[in-house]
Amino acid sequence: QVQLVQSGAEVKKPGASVKVSCKASGYTFTNYYIHWVRQSPGQGLEWMGIINPSDGSTSYAQKLQGRVTMTRDTSTSKVYMELSSLRSEDTAVYYCARDRLVSGVSSTDVWGKGTTVTVSS
Amino acid sequence: EIVLTQSPGTLSVSPGERATLSCRASQSVSSSYLAWYQQKPGQAPRLLIYGASSRATGIPDRFSGSGSGTDFTLTISRLEPEDFAVYYCQQYGSSPCTFGPGTKVDIK
Repeated sequence: QVQLVQSGAEVKKPGASVKVSCKASGYTFTNYYIHWVRQSPGQGLEWMGIINPSDGSTSYAQKLQGRVTMTRDTSTSKVYMELSSLRSEDTAVYYCARDRLVSGVSSTDVWGKGTTVTVSS
Repeated sequence: EIVLTQSPGTLSVSPGERATLSCRASQSVSSSYLAWYQQKPGQAPRLLIYGASSRATGIPDRFSGSGSGTDFTLTISRLEPEDFAVYYCQQYGSSPCTFGPGTKVDIK
């Protein structure tokens, strides 16, 4: 079945970086864009950006430009989201989610279970 | 960026009753690229509606979406116990994609 499996929880100090992985299975990895969405404790959803696994092209939320990098490894069907210069406000659950359409940007119909990132000194 | 506003913030409804949730955009959402998600505590969001009115795979027909331009509605015709959750709208017609702040549907 189609699924996205994310890496485990992380605890980081302010100023550090974190890299979260998302492994896709059950479909052709390069056919569907992957979005990253985060959710701070008790808060709503925040779209972070998107990556095209076919060519690695990306688009990031302006708020995170310069701190976020999304990459992919087609040999392992994994996408990665790295966030640098972490601050306490980056404490959140980070989700990867597959776009619903082939080679398009749309809503997201398959979600990973989320990775909790805690930033604390 | 398009800002989405959802109302009400919390909706208290009895099982079996109808729930109507609103999502308003700060500017027109192109081609009705508007989605609705349901999220329960400790779980990832689940896609309910895309394209403003199309149900995602496996979504019961008690969920329906409508609207265009700047005003959209999610209606749950008869609330089941499993429908008590937070609902988010999302626009994906212009970059960046944005989410509304959510409407919590709880038991009256």
